Amino acid sequence: AQTVTQSQPEMSVQEAETVTLSCTYDTSESDYYLFWYKQPPSRQMILVIRQEAYKQQNATENRFSVNFQKAAKSFSLKISDSQLGDAAMYFCAYRSTGKLIFGQGTTLQVKP
Amino acid sequence: ETGVTQTPRHLVMGMTNKKSLKCEQHLGHNAMYWYKQSAKKPLELMFVYNFKEQTENNSVPSRFSPECPNSSHLFLHLHTLQPEDSALYLCASSHPFPDPSSYGYTFGSGTRLTVV
Repeated sequence: AQTVTQSQPEMSVQEAETVTLSCTYDTSESDYYLFWYKQPPSRQMILVIRQEAYKQQNATENRFSVNFQKAAKSFSLKISDSQLGDAAMYFCAYRSTGKLIFGQGTTLQVKP
Repeated sequence: ETGVTQTPRHLVMGMTNKKSLKCEQHLGHNAMYWYKQSAKKPLELMFVYNFKEQTENNSVPSRFSPECPNSSHLFLHLHTLQPEDSALYLCASSHPFPDPSSYGYTFGSGTRLTVV
């Protein structure tokens, strides 16, 4: 069965600094998608970035980028120039045949 | 507003009540999902519907009864719930895998349910 693990329950970063959130996953599939979702206090789950497993190039979306290591089954999220609005819970997620499987989440605090 | 609307946003119900949660999307998606989000636990997938047909039930107690009358609407009927069922219930929709436009799921804002 596929699993997603986020080993950092909480992280904090100073405003304008860079932070990296970790995620590992376990699967025997070769074709799948990986995602990072953000859930602010408003509860809305917002898609931050996605990565197709067949692509070697790491995905980037403005200040958000990933480090995708397929062999190591690692998918970390880097947030550059952190802003107060980045404070939220971040979930790593995996999808292959249809189900979206989430990690436990990492709460990110941004300090002014 | 993401295109997936959930009502109500908050619900307080007694253990003997019957209530329903509603989810609606007009994104052209044909797959819809119910998730349960409890404090300190990962999101738990409850039910999956593809083209109005239930394709997955992850051992959810029968006091939760889903209904999908069409591809745009999804309900979760609740009856005789327990206090431990208090949680945030999230609805999501997507194109069915392996649609090449499968950009993950689009989520609603959830219903915060409190069972007293």
